[in-house]
Amino acid sequence: GQNIDQPTEMTATEGAIVQINCTYQTSGFNGLFWYQQHAGEAPTFLSYNVLDGLEEKGRFSSFLSRSKGYSYLLLKELQMKDSASYLCAVRDRDYKLSFGAGTTVTVRA
Amino acid sequence: IAGITQAPTSQILAAGRRMTLRCTQDMRHNAMYWYRQDLGLGLRLIHYSNTAGTTGKGEVPDGYSVSRANTDDFPLTLASAVPSQTSVYFCASSGGLAGGSDTQYFGPGTRLTVL
Repeated sequence: GQNIDQPTEMTATEGAIVQINCTYQTSGFNGLFWYQQHAGEAPTFLSYNVLDGLEEKGRFSSFLSRSKGYSYLLLKELQMKDSASYLCAVRDRDYKLSFGAGTTVTVRA
Repeated sequence: IAGITQAPTSQILAAGRRMTLRCTQDMRHNAMYWYRQDLGLGLRLIHYSNTAGTTGKGEVPDGYSVSRANTDDFPLTLASAVPSQTSVYFCASSGGLAGGSDTQYFGPGTRLTVL
């Protein structure tokens, strides 16, 4: 099974940088995903890491260290529209996802 | 292209009633999933299907059943609803191909209240 931990809430100022950490314990790791979920909406895919290192996609980057069971999502140049929940999910060898409880990010003007 | 659709959008249901949540995808994805999302608990997998004709149990399957008669549809049935099944239900699908990201894409969700 999977045990996934991420902070419950974070607050940051528009234009700033925020880093959301995710730690996991797994019986069989096969990739890590980050999803964004605005209130009342469906989760949407942000990033995928399966090898160690940094994946960059515009203002968003995701990092993975498999040996440490650790990932982070980095949001740069924060905008008001980035206020949302960010979900860390670990995939097992059967291609099933286990999700963390999510981190609610609030961006202030 | 609609992607994934779910129906109904929301429903209030009396305890003990039977209810089927519908999910349809038009992406020809092999794999489909049902999750429930509760405050503070995140998304939890109820049932999944790797391909038409097969289904499997997820983390919280009790009180729910599914079928996968064809590629596009994956209905979730609550045989006798209980208040603890009050939740937001999301259907998702993925290509189901081994290797690569095999990203899951989510439907808009069904908000179910059982009284």
